[in-house]
Amino acid sequence: GQQVMQIPQYQHVQEGEDFTTYCNSSTTLSNIQWYKQRPGGHPVFLIQLVKSGEVKKQKRLTFQFGEAKKNSSLHITATQTTDVGTYFCAGNNNDMRFGAGTRLTVKP
Amino acid sequence: GAGVSQSPSNKVTEKGKDVELRCDPISGHTALYWYRQSLGQGLEFLIYFQGNSAPDKSGLPSDRFSAERTGGSVSTLTIQRTQQEDSAVYLCASSSWTGGYEQYFGPGTRLTVT
Repeated sequence: GQQVMQIPQYQHVQEGEDFTTYCNSSTTLSNIQWYKQRPGGHPVFLIQLVKSGEVKKQKRLTFQFGEAKKNSSLHITATQTTDVGTYFCAGNNNDMRFGAGTRLTVKP
Repeated sequence: GAGVSQSPSNKVTEKGKDVELRCDPISGHTALYWYRQSLGQGLEFLIYFQGNSAPDKSGLPSDRFSAERTGGSVSTLTIQRTQQEDSAVYLCASSSWTGGYEQYFGPGTRLTVT
């Protein structure tokens, strides 16, 4: 079945440094979604990418969908302490499957 | 309601007992998902319902787990003969179209099996 792999599992950065998490699927996806889960909270939808090669930005966050629609990335520029949390990708190919998530910690 | 609600928020049960977890999705959402999240871990897919179609039960870890969705709305996840390894947060999510639109998550039920 469909598998969605996400790396790294953990990332610890100094405030102001950049951060990237990567998501790879074993199959071509129709779309991919990204979610953020704050410590103690539940996942909250960030964005959905649908088109091959699509790039979307939300302030300091940049989301990319690969040309083959099998991989995606989330890049945060100049991290802040408010970025702390776990970032999940969720790939859709008839079924929606979540990656294991990348836990980001930010040192002030 | 305004969002997905789940009850109870916390449940402590003894090993071997049965538990029922409830999810009230957003009104009108046809898709409903159940996930399990162990401490510090990712989201483990359990089951999803889409309208009147047969549910996808491929993620249920054993036959002790079952779920139903009555009237296309409220869903109940039942765990029979609970084991300590069942301890986790159980999250429910709903969406307006399976796989195509964002999933709205409930606050979860924290299950502790002693």
